[in-house]
Amino acid sequence: EAGVAQSPRYKIIEKRQSVAFWCNPISGHATLYWYQQILGQGPKLLIQFQNNGVVDDSQLPKDRFSAERLKGVDSTLKIQPAKLEDSAVYLCASSLETGAQETQYFGPGTRLLVL
Amino acid sequence: AQSVTQLGSHVSVSEGALVLLRCNYSSSVPPYLFWYVQYPNQGLQLLLKYTTGATLVKGINGFEAEFKKSETSFHLTKPSAHMSDAAEYFCAVTLGQGAQKLVFGQGTRLTINP
Repeated sequence: EAGVAQSPRYKIIEKRQSVAFWCNPISGHATLYWYQQILGQGPKLLIQFQNNGVVDDSQLPKDRFSAERLKGVDSTLKIQPAKLEDSAVYLCASSLETGAQETQYFGPGTRLLVL
Repeated sequence: AQSVTQLGSHVSVSEGALVLLRCNYSSSVPPYLFWYVQYPNQGLQLLLKYTTGATLVKGINGFEAEFKKSETSFHLTKPSAHMSDAAEYFCAVTLGQGAQKLVFGQGTRLTINP
């Protein structure tokens, strides 16, 4: 079974530029998550989708971050414009269903450096 | 509100020694508890989880954890450390009902000395 795929793996941009990350979840998984992991910290949930609807985006900085999950499969996360403090690893995860006890399967992440 | 505290950002043990990684949580309702491991430049992988039932949970790679409600703890142990166990370990919690957000601790980096 293929795991969660993410691209690119690394990205370096200058502040005020825009960037986009792509995620392909495990086939058949209804729920998709985007996390931000700042160096030395645990992952923090940015947004959660159930199929193509948003379940939770309470911690997404909506003035600069946006995400979509068209057709309930692949998802993109965009930052525009980027700030220095956005430097982090962006992790995508998926789970079969939405539920507190569901196991989340993580992709390898995209490491973003904003200069 | 719920939160997770991992005691010790860095733990170092000798190969073959006991591994003990500490995790305490705060939650107003019975929690679901998870341990994830992260190897360098990789995503997180589930080690084990507690939802209901037996409080001693066995996971992959010889790890186990015990849910102690009275101590609000979910410490991770392994009897004998192996070099391949070197990684970052994260404890996480979700509420048993309602909200589904997974809240992570800050992580503990485990180093294994030969």
